[in-house]
Order: sequence, then C-alpha cells, then structure tokens
Amino acid sequence: QSALTQPASVSGSPGQSLTISCTGTSSDVGGYNYVSWYQQHPGKAPKLLIYDVTDRPSGISNRFSGSKSGNTASLTISGLQAEDEADYYCNSYTTTSTLVFGGGTKLTVL
Amino acid sequence: EVQLVESGGGLVQPGGSLKLSCAAAGFTFSGSAMHWVRQASGKGLEWIGRIRNKADSYATTYAASVRGRFTISRDDSQNMAYLQMNSLKTEDTAVYYCTRWSPGGATFDYWGQGTLVTVSS
Repeated sequence: QSALTQPASVSGSPGQSLTISCTGTSSDVGGYNYVSWYQQHPGKAPKLLIYDVTDRPSGISNRFSGSKSGNTASLTISGLQAEDEADYYCNSYTTTSTLVFGGGTKLTVL
Repeated sequence: EVQLVESGGGLVQPGGSLKLSCAAAGFTFSGSAMHWVRQASGKGLEWIGRIRNKADSYATTYAASVRGRFTISRDDSQNMAYLQMNSLKTEDTAVYYCTRWSPGGATFDYWGQGTLVTVSS
C-alpha cells in the first residue's frame, strides 16, 4: 500500500487560511469516508484533529475543517495562529482492511 | 482520562528481537481494537498493524513491511497490548506508538507517548 500524497510543506501568515491536500486512490481515500487528520508538534505524539473526513473531536477548534472530493481529501485551517506550526498527517482506511498515512506536511507560520 | 503508556524500547542488534508493551487505562480496553504506528526520526508515520477485540476474534492485520516478523497480542485481564518484533532490521529503528481505534469513528483517537527502538550493531 503506497503512502498517501501530501505536499511536503506549506506556509501562511497569521490570520490567513490554508489548505493541505491528501491524495490517494479509489482503494483508500476515494473508497471510504474514513479519512483522518493529525497534528504533530516536535517531540510529541500525534493529535487527532479530524475524523471520518469532516468530523471534529470534542475540544478541537472549529478553525480546523475537513473535506473530500474523489480521491483527494483536504484539511483547511482558518485564522492561522502561531501554535498551528506543526506537522500534519492524513490517514485513510483501505480496501485491504489496513490503514495508510500520508507522508506529512510541515506547516510554517510566517 | 484515557492513558496509553508504551515501554520496552531500547537498543537491539540486527536480527534480534524485542517486545514492546502498551499499558492502557481510563477506558474499556477489552472492547477496543488497538494499533501500533511507528515513526523513524525525521520521517512520517507508518501504520504497523492492529489487533481487534474478543468480539472480533482478536483478529490481527499487519503492514506488508512487518508481516511475518512482528506479532501483536493483548491481555484484556491486564489491559495490555504487545508488539513482538523479531528479525529486526536497521530500518525498523523508530519511535513506536500504541494507539486506540476509536469506538465512535474510524480513527486513532488516543496515542501513547511512544517508545524508541534502535536497531544497530
């Protein structure tokens, strides 16, 4: 199972909105509404931001939102803040009952 | 409060074995599927495998990269999950995370802090 494709890096200024894409295939992202997004700060464990494409766990800011079109899922962060600077990973369930992650995107707040 | 605490990491020679443990607390462990995910230094996350609960016959599934070398098990009486790693390779060097599969969505909702495994001679 190949890793999902994410941009290696994105950047934005405080207050801006930006979107991180996650491209897979019909065997993973396109086949199920089971895409999740995680935020990881250096030296820390990943933290769940979005699950089932669009749902936010309790306690996660509504500045984070998810969507999907075809084989590509997206994470949008609005009102960018300094503390959003981190690595972001997408993840999807697959037709072989396994899970696959994206390669990760480093977000820099300018 | 949900807690997952990994232990057992360390330095091991190529070809050697190591068993990681994950102690769970704060939720009904016996009802949850448990997964292991690893991350090499400076690299991305890699799903390793999972073990389902008793209702799903403790079924296990593994990533191709570790199938046949790694084994996931659990002890519901102790609220513990395990990752037995055999025939270790240098490329298995990583931080290993224990994660809970959410009962309310297809996702990993809680993660441990990770334990470092270094495979080197």
